Amino acid sequence: GQSLEQPSEVTAVEGAIVQINCTYQTSGFYGLSWYQQHDGGAPTFLSYNALDGLEETGRFSSFLSRSDSYGYLLLQELQMKDSASYFCAVRDSNYQLIWGAGTKLIIKP
Amino acid sequence: SAVISQKPSRDICQRGTSLTIQCQVDSQVTMMFWYRQQPGQSLTLIATANQGSEATYESGFVIDKFPISRPNLTFSTLTVSNMSPEDSSIYLCSVEDRRGEKLFFGSGTQLSVL
Repeated sequence: GQSLEQPSEVTAVEGAIVQINCTYQTSGFYGLSWYQQHDGGAPTFLSYNALDGLEETGRFSSFLSRSDSYGYLLLQELQMKDSASYFCAVRDSNYQLIWGAGTKLIIKP
Repeated sequence: SAVISQKPSRDICQRGTSLTIQCQVDSQVTMMFWYRQQPGQSLTLIATANQGSEATYESGFVIDKFPISRPNLTFSTLTVSNMSPEDSSIYLCSVEDRRGEKLFFGSGTQLSVL
């Protein structure tokens, strides 16, 4: 079967750096994406990695290693507004989007 | 980017009734996707709606329960039929960008069935 694994919950302190990991097992791979979802809100796109390496967008970075079937989302200079759930999703060879279960990020002052 | 207007934002319905959710996109798109998200859970794809053809349903979802219309390239509806409390969930419509790298979502419909 196809699966994505990410931690269910991560806690960090305001101003710190946090990394949310995602490992995947899918039939084929086109790309790994990350979405942020605040409570009561809709998911919003954060990043997409199709090739190995680090992509940086402001305080957020996303990394991919296709050989390890692994990626992570790095959030720097954490702010209280970053408290949300973060989902990784992989596009498989059938072009289906497989979603992780989500990681709830809790930020403490 | 795409802007999607989804309504209603929330509704409380009686068992056995039906609710139709509407999504309007600000640009023409080939495919629209309908998702369900139960509280604290991930997103589950219900179906893909293509203009001019029948929707493609994922395993576990059937047209009689979730009929979909796609009359043009900017609009789609999802109906939740003969509702039961198990249908209480958030329903989301989405579209993807031209490169298929990102999804844009409507604001969601929070459905509670009593």
